[in-house]
Amino acid sequence: AQSVTQLGSHVSVSEGALVLLRCNYSSSVPPYLFWYVQYPNQGLQLLLKYTTGATLVKGINGFEAEFKKSETSFHLTKPSAHMSDAAEYFCAVKAGGSYIPTFGRGTSLIVHP
Amino acid sequence: ETGVTQTPRHLVMGMTNKKSLKCEQHLGHNAMYWYKQSAKKPLELMFVYSLEERVENNSVPSRFSPECPNSSHLFLHLHTLQPEDSALYLCASSHRDRGGTEAFFGQGTRLTVV
Repeated sequence: AQSVTQLGSHVSVSEGALVLLRCNYSSSVPPYLFWYVQYPNQGLQLLLKYTTGATLVKGINGFEAEFKKSETSFHLTKPSAHMSDAAEYFCAVKAGGSYIPTFGRGTSLIVHP
Repeated sequence: ETGVTQTPRHLVMGMTNKKSLKCEQHLGHNAMYWYKQSAKKPLELMFVYSLEERVENNSVPSRFSPECPNSSHLFLHLHTLQPEDSALYLCASSHRDRGGTEAFFGQGTRLTVV
């Protein structure tokens, strides 16, 4: 079975500050991990993904995430927040041969001027 | 342009109406999904079609009826809906056989039941 936990339904940062969105997964086999972003009244858009290989993954809009097997984590970071980063962020996992992704509950990122 | 197109983008319907949501993808994917996204609730997987297989969430009421005539098209037929069915309905598609590939989402249909 696979599951995802996103800690914090809301994260608030100031413009220019570090963004850290947390994601922990549960899987008995090596997972594939994804981060998606959703702007209001839009669909989900892929930010980045981890499949195999390098554990530090870079995505669009300056975001990156690091796969840490020992911590079963895949936290999303960005060094400097921009107002346009305000959105809902979803972590997702696929594992064990399942082609259906399991999504976390989402974290709303609020950016203050 | 995400490669997955949903129509209509917005829909207002009465509780006695019958309507359908449409989703179309030309990405060569062989799995298609319907999700419901309500305010302050997590994404809810409703139905999945892949090859000859249909997966459904048993908690979805029978007033929602999916149809997948081919690998590129997916419909969600709606009838006698309730106000609590108002939500953003998202369609997605993916390659079933390539584990590391992501799902592609449409823009969604914002449904309001009055």
